[in-house]
Amino acid sequence: DSGVTQTPKHLITATGQRVTLRCSPRSGDLSVYWYQQSLDQGLQFLIQYYNGEERAKGNILERFSAQQFPDLHSELNLSSLELGDSALYFCASSVSQAENTEAFFGQGTRLTVV
Amino acid sequence: GQNIDQPTEMTATEGAIVQINCTYQTSGFNGLFWYQQHAGEAPTFLSYNVLDGLEEKGRFSSFLSRSKGYSYLLLKELQMKDSASYLCAVRDRSGNTPLVFGKGTRLSVIA
Repeated sequence: DSGVTQTPKHLITATGQRVTLRCSPRSGDLSVYWYQQSLDQGLQFLIQYYNGEERAKGNILERFSAQQFPDLHSELNLSSLELGDSALYFCASSVSQAENTEAFFGQGTRLTVV
Repeated sequence: GQNIDQPTEMTATEGAIVQINCTYQTSGFNGLFWYQQHAGEAPTFLSYNVLDGLEEKGRFSSFLSRSKGYSYLLLKELQMKDSASYLCAVRDRSGNTPLVFGKGTRLSVIA
């Protein structure tokens, strides 16, 4: 158990809908990262927050948004869902600013858009 | 741009040694990470290299050559439970910045 908690574990929804994925980082970790993993792609970085502020942005679609709250949990909002958004969405957290800091991953949310 | 290459699949025999290679071309370099990911599960951290050379950790070792943009993960005394995907990732900027991942190598360990 990495200490990173993601809910829900599975989500099935229809095209055009909106969903919210939730992540609680490890206790004391200030950085939260969101990644998308599709069958034919590796882990694609979406967005990073550090202590409530957006720190880095990857290939995140405009239909997607995220935020980190004062208690450091984070939410990823996916709207106007398309079939191609079906994927595993991982949240990861890390503690310090050092380069050698590894990220700890949650168990992921498997999103299926039908 | 960022490019991290790994073989897509490998097969090895229980008890053997396998080497999984990773080459990278990134705009910067501040460390290379290896993760293990079992199907449908979270990636888990295996190793970190920032200086050239070999880092050994039990049955797993990781090597880095920065001049060649090359790393490998060496798994010894393979066990069936080592069947998983192995992800190479580079931190391309300084500080606690996001990792850039390769597509991973799916390793099958057979009896």
